[in-house]
Amino acid sequence: GDSVTQMEGPVTLSEEAFLTINCTYTATGYPSLFWYVQYPGEGLQLLLKATKADDKGSNKGFEATYRKETTSFHLEKGSVQVSDSAVYFCALSDEWGKLQFGAGTQVVVTP
Amino acid sequence: DAGVIQSPRHEVTEMGQEVTLRCKPISGHNSLFWYRQTMMRGLELLIYFNNNVPIDDSGMPEDRFSAKMPNASFSTLKIQPSEPRDSAVYFCASSRTSGRETQYFGPGTRLLVL
Repeated sequence: GDSVTQMEGPVTLSEEAFLTINCTYTATGYPSLFWYVQYPGEGLQLLLKATKADDKGSNKGFEATYRKETTSFHLEKGSVQVSDSAVYFCALSDEWGKLQFGAGTQVVVTP
Repeated sequence: DAGVIQSPRHEVTEMGQEVTLRCKPISGHNSLFWYRQTMMRGLELLIYFNNNVPIDDSGMPEDRFSAKMPNASFSTLKIQPSEPRDSAVYFCASSRTSGRETQYFGPGTRLLVL
């Protein structure tokens, strides 16, 4: 079945550092790919998405490119802020809309 | 616009009691999803509805769990009887249509079964 694997956390960074969170997937069809972010005590919020190969999703300085050849959707941000501290989830959606999530990566940004 | 609304936000109950979680999706959204989040198992899809009809309930853990969507603006997830291992955060999400649409999540209900 479909699955998502993302790097384990926590990832601890200093403010203004470069962030990368690796995400790879296994899917039988042509999924859409998502990054969701969860702040403490809150629900998940969509950060960005890509619906087909080579699409780049971007939002709030975060970017991820749908790489079909490497089945990856790595999240990057060039300069993180303390307010980016959260848990980040990579997910794929099949044709029916069922989301399969990775385990989540906690990111801690220190001043 | 109001987002997905869930109630209660927190629930503490004793083993064996019935628990009912409620969700109001975003107006105009036709698909609704129930997820459970635990440290051990992460985020799991329990059931989803399209146009108020349950489409896939293969993620429902066992017969103690049931979900209904009597109309387009309301859904419930019921656990009867509850057990300590049901302690988790339960999220409801909705999307405009079925398929690869963005899902919008509610704030969740944190359930503790003693």
